Amino acid sequence: NAGVTQTPKFQVLKTGQSMTLQCAQDMNHNSMYWYRQDPGMGLRLIYYSASEGTTDKGEVPNGYNVSRLNKREFSLRLESAAPSQTSVYFCASTPQANSYEQYFGPGTRLTVT
Amino acid sequence: AQSVTQLDSQVPVFEEAPVELRCNYSSSVSVYLFWYVQYPNQGLQLLLKYLSGSTLVKGINGFEAEFNKSQTSFHLRKPSVHISDTAEYFCAVSGGSNYKLTFGKGTLLTVNP
Repeated sequence: NAGVTQTPKFQVLKTGQSMTLQCAQDMNHNSMYWYRQDPGMGLRLIYYSASEGTTDKGEVPNGYNVSRLNKREFSLRLESAAPSQTSVYFCASTPQANSYEQYFGPGTRLTVT
Repeated sequence: AQSVTQLDSQVPVFEEAPVELRCNYSSSVSVYLFWYVQYPNQGLQLLLKYLSGSTLVKGINGFEAEFNKSQTSFHLRKPSVHISDTAEYFCAVSGGSNYKLTFGKGTLLTVNP
């Protein structure tokens, strides 16, 4: 099992450009999450998908959209990138069973100039 | 709503010394508590979790934590640290539906020779 995979690992965008961050998990988990990590801020939830076909806003959703394409894949889209979106983005998943444990991908480091 | 406070942003210690990383939480519902570790340029990895039962929880790499409901704390301890324990440590709480985690801002543990 690869666990949670994310592509790309690194990306540089110019202000106003768009891009999609991809996330996939092969653990048959129901719930998936997107976080951003900024120095001194911990991890903040952007969007989550409790199950296939549903998505909900987290703490910092402005400037982002998501798609839960199927049970395996959960993508994050920046329609018009801004320098404030420079961050490290993590995808995570959880079985939605009784463990509550989230499994994290390796992250995508995004720089917006 | 729930929140997590990690009382120290940085903790420097010498190799083989004991360490305690402090975490306090607030929540209006029963909680599940977690400690995650993030090594440089990597994703987050679960160290240990408290869901129910014994309040002393043992995790990987010799770490343990104690859930104290009256003090709303979940401090992480290790009796003797190694250079390889240098990493950032995150405390997290989950207590609601949708299995969302709320993270603290992290504590950078630096182990010096």
